[in-house]
Amino acid sequence: ETGVTQTPRHLVMGMTNKKSLKCEQHLGHNAMYWYKQSAKKPLELMFVYSLEERVENNSVPSRFSPECPNSSHLFLHLHTLQPEDSALYLCASSQETPVGFSYNEQFFGPGTRLTVL
Amino acid sequence: DAKTTQPTSMDCAEGRAANLPCNHSTISGNEYVYWYRQIHSQGPQYIIHGLKNNETNEMASLIITEDRKSSTLILPHATLRDTAVYYCIVSQRRSGKLIFGQGTTLQVKP
Repeated sequence: ETGVTQTPRHLVMGMTNKKSLKCEQHLGHNAMYWYKQSAKKPLELMFVYSLEERVENNSVPSRFSPECPNSSHLFLHLHTLQPEDSALYLCASSQETPVGFSYNEQFFGPGTRLTVL
Repeated sequence: DAKTTQPTSMDCAEGRAANLPCNHSTISGNEYVYWYRQIHSQGPQYIIHGLKNNETNEMASLIITEDRKSSTLILPHATLRDTAVYYCIVSQRRSGKLIFGQGTTLQVKP
């Protein structure tokens, strides 16, 4: 248990569906992240939220829409996805220090395995 | 952020030390070396990090060469549960991002 939970753990959806992935951290952290891990590819950073503000958006298609309502919760809203979006979606959290971001000691959740048909 | 080079895969006998090398010849002065691992079907797990001094924690030791161009992660007594992909990442601590490469797949064998 890392203190970061993700639901659902598995999701199968059609290309016309709308679904949401949820992440919750119980560590008191103030920064949260979404990563994508496709088969046989390295993890790719998608979004970063710090103090509930989005500070990073790595050219992610608009069919992925993140939401961070508070420092403990992070959502990834999905709509009109493509089969190539099938991947493991990982959430992580870390603590921003008073002297700046501390992106690098991150705690990851178990991921949501997404399959788009 | 500096790029790293790691062997694709390594084997280690259970109970022996696992020494995982990483080259980061273009590392700059304010970049740290981080190690994470990812056990199959789980999220990555932070292991250790360092700047220039050797570091040790309950999981592993990190040995960084004096010129900081390479490092070695040491798991002193590998167990079967240490079988995972190990990622060496070089990044600025304050503003850098974690750029994951392909990592080293460590197989611990009985």
